Amino acid sequence: DQQVKQNSPSLSVQEGRISILNCDYTNSMFDYFLWYKKYPAEGPTFLISISSIKDKNEDGRFTVFLNKSAKHLSLHIVPSQPGDSAVYFCAASGGTDSWGKFQFGAGTQVVVTP
Amino acid sequence: DAGVIQSPRHEVTEMGQEVTLRCKPISGHNSLFWYRQTMMRGLELLIYFNNNVPIDDSGMPEDRFSAKMPNASFSTLKIQPSEPRDSAVYFCASSSTVTERYTFGSGTRLTVV
Repeated sequence: DQQVKQNSPSLSVQEGRISILNCDYTNSMFDYFLWYKKYPAEGPTFLISISSIKDKNEDGRFTVFLNKSAKHLSLHIVPSQPGDSAVYFCAASGGTDSWGKFQFGAGTQVVVTP
Repeated sequence: DAGVIQSPRHEVTEMGQEVTLRCKPISGHNSLFWYRQTMMRGLELLIYFNNNVPIDDSGMPEDRFSAKMPNASFSTLKIQPSEPRDSAVYFCASSSTVTERYTFGSGTRLTVV
């Protein structure tokens, strides 16, 4: 049972524009969320996180928004750059004995075009 | 810091053979995770260790899969016998108690023919 869902398998965006990646979760116990970025033939690398006590976290061009009532989070990349072309994974954890145990979404492939 | 080191990078084996994947976590990290990545399901947690002890192996698909962590610097994931549906990229990740963020290895691409 997929508790973290990324319903868009791919996203194409023009360089300089905003990329918006969406992630939905079903487990109301989740209280910590991460986004990872993955290039081909490499492991995922940490991008940005947010805990449930916040509804927004910003780091440079990357901003993550959390809507707890909707069980939805999104990642905004502004402005998008060609180097942002990668697969982005949303991950969530929370609840009893959940430390470090993340559920990942299936990923969204982002392609930034010139 | 060399990061999380996995070997081999690629493995092609015949159905029925035993496959062993290896992982060296980051020194000082006390938690280690094995994930499997497939196109359909993304990254699935197979098992994780805390201080070399298996904490949760509920993600291990079946008895053909086993994992060990004999010491803080080494872990193995074994599949015996392997089947074509085991073909995937297997990632190892480690983390410390200071942060919940994982550091992933580069993965092992397993192909079972």
